[in-house]
Amino acid sequence: EVQLVESGGGLVQPGRSLKLSCAASGFTFSNYYMAWVRQAPKKGLEWVATISTSGSRTYYPDSVKGRFTISRDNAKSSLYLQMNSLKSEDTATYYCASGRDFDYWGQGVMVTVSS
Amino acid sequence: DVVMTQTPVSLPVSLGGQASISCRSSQSLVHSNGNTYLHWYLQKPGQSPQLLIYRVSNRFSGVPDRFSGSGSGTDFTLKISRVEPEDLGDYYCLQSTHFPDTFGAGTKLELK
Repeated sequence: EVQLVESGGGLVQPGRSLKLSCAASGFTFSNYYMAWVRQAPKKGLEWVATISTSGSRTYYPDSVKGRFTISRDNAKSSLYLQMNSLKSEDTATYYCASGRDFDYWGQGVMVTVSS
Repeated sequence: DVVMTQTPVSLPVSLGGQASISCRSSQSLVHSNGNTYLHWYLQKPGQSPQLLIYRVSNRFSGVPDRFSGSGSGTDFTLKISRVEPEDLGDYYCLQSTHFPDTFGAGTKLELK
């Protein structure tokens, strides 16, 4: 059974940093692109970052480029999202998702950016 | 960036009835490799999104055949026949042909 389990969320002040993790199991993690998607409260879905199978290529929308960094550890079947210079508009539930089809999703982790 | 225009915003349906959701993209979603990366998701209340249809018309594992996807180029449709209570929620289309990946704004499927 495929499982994606996010962790690392919480309350953080504007301008500070936070690192999210996603532990994957039930599939060959190293064979799949991986992504982060977020959803602000009562809003729609927004793609945040994607990483290639080896980690050599990463992709971001302009809204987070230069502030967020996606990475992975294939030996640990883990995905990460380092979020720096956080803003109030980054407040959202963050999901990790597998593949370019986003076929499996984690349960999500809440990040609240507030003073 | 590719803009995904999803309609309608809200779709009242009767149980047992049919529903149709449209997604139009601002440019062709045909990738240079020939694939079209247009997908459909359902987010039930309080849950994570779940994949229903990938690459226009392929039902994901375990998805009932009441769900079907069609379209090409810039115009895509999700159809749900014989709507059941567990089908209610928010539906999203996603294009992952062109970075940045972009979602439609969502369609709330609710009881009439």
